[in-house]
Amino acid sequence: DTGVSQDPRHKITKRGQNVTFRCDPISEHNRLYWYRQTLGQGPEFLTYFQNEAQLEKSRLLSDRFSAERPKGSFSTLEIQRTEQGDSAMYLCASSLGLGAYEQYFGPGTRLTVT
Amino acid sequence: GENVEQHPSTLSVQEGDSAVIKCTYSDSASNYFPWYKQELGKRPQLIIDIRSNVGEKKDQRIAVTLNKTAKHFSLHITETQPEDSAVYFCAASIKKGRSGGSNYKLTFGKGTLLTVNP
Repeated sequence: DTGVSQDPRHKITKRGQNVTFRCDPISEHNRLYWYRQTLGQGPEFLTYFQNEAQLEKSRLLSDRFSAERPKGSFSTLEIQRTEQGDSAMYLCASSLGLGAYEQYFGPGTRLTVT
Repeated sequence: GENVEQHPSTLSVQEGDSAVIKCTYSDSASNYFPWYKQELGKRPQLIIDIRSNVGEKKDQRIAVTLNKTAKHFSLHITETQPEDSAVYFCAASIKKGRSGGSNYKLTFGKGTLLTVNP
């Protein structure tokens, strides 16, 4: 499968714990996006990378959230001191760039905070 | 920021009928409008998109129309089939350049649950 992949697919954690998610974009896609989706809603933008540079962060991304894309390939999203309100589907998308607008999504990581 | 409204929230049609989903956007600078199909428990799948320099685009049974003046765009599905049943999301994107890196982040509507009855 050469599409966007995410790991893990499901994560259950207790409130206060830290979690980290990984996204592997489509090969050669230099743009990578993180979105959050809650039940009955469309995805909401969290942050954006062009290669290894994080160029925009949403106001939704509190100080407890941090994202990296160290070598311009895979990306990680870490949530520290999780809260019940963090429960959601975390989606990653990648785009080729170079004038190509299309974003292709991964299967997501479903986070449940108990 | 951009705001996207989507209607209806649910749509039920008989197999073979047409389905139309409508979206409006607020920022006239938006220039890219994709539609995604999301089946239960699966990833959003890009099904069609349109750029602001085009008024209509068609791909087999699906088409998208864009009215820049009115700031609305629509998804049309003809000859619907049960496998078209899913949640459909519209989105809008504005190119925002920052430090040489253009961000085409998507602002999504709330989705339309389409049910095609056999």
